[in-house]
Amino acid sequence: DARVTQTPRHKVTEMGQEVTMRCQPILGHNTVFWYRQTMMQGLELLAYFRNRAPLDDSGMPKDRFSAEMPDATLATLKIQPSEPRDSAVYFCASLGTSGAYLFFGPGTRLTVL
Amino acid sequence: EDQVTQSPEALRLQEGESSSLNCSYTVSGLRGLFWYRQDPGKGPEFLFTLYSAGEEKEKERLKATLTKKESFLHITAPKPEDSATYLCAVQAMTDKLIFGTGTRLQVFP
Repeated sequence: DARVTQTPRHKVTEMGQEVTMRCQPILGHNTVFWYRQTMMQGLELLAYFRNRAPLDDSGMPKDRFSAEMPDATLATLKIQPSEPRDSAVYFCASLGTSGAYLFFGPGTRLTVL
Repeated sequence: EDQVTQSPEALRLQEGESSSLNCSYTVSGLRGLFWYRQDPGKGPEFLFTLYSAGEEKEKERLKATLTKKESFLHITAPKPEDSATYLCAVQAMTDKLIFGTGTRLQVFP
């Protein structure tokens, strides 16, 4: 049963610390998305990649957020330094070359104190 | 700017009480409209894709319909296990999905 995996599932950190979230897309999927979900804003697109190249990161605060795909099986989202307003659930999703819809991972729940 | 608005924000139904969820959208060049279900603590799970006005899709007690300005998710004779947040999203000319804020559905026995 192919699925998107994310680690860690939960992260509690203090303001100012670096946070790294990881995502393993479904094998063979070449497009990877990062979304952030809060009660107030819902699901917001932060960035997405195709064939490991960034296509759109306009939803991401550039001064503190960075997203990369070191290889086809790993996507990372880093926040440095983290702030309390970054507290949210971060979802990774992937799409295959002939895919019709996004598969979402279980999310990383981030709490910044 | 592409935009998705869902209503109502929350809906409480008695088991067996049918109802509809609304998703209105503005998008330049709709490639697809998507419905997802999200359970607490989990990622969204795909339900349907609709591509053109007049299209309908069904799955168990759910039926999704699409017009040029909105989509409806009809729930017929819901059961408590249908309780979840239902998300609507549109896809324009790129692959990215723009989501609404969802409708939280609670079905009571």
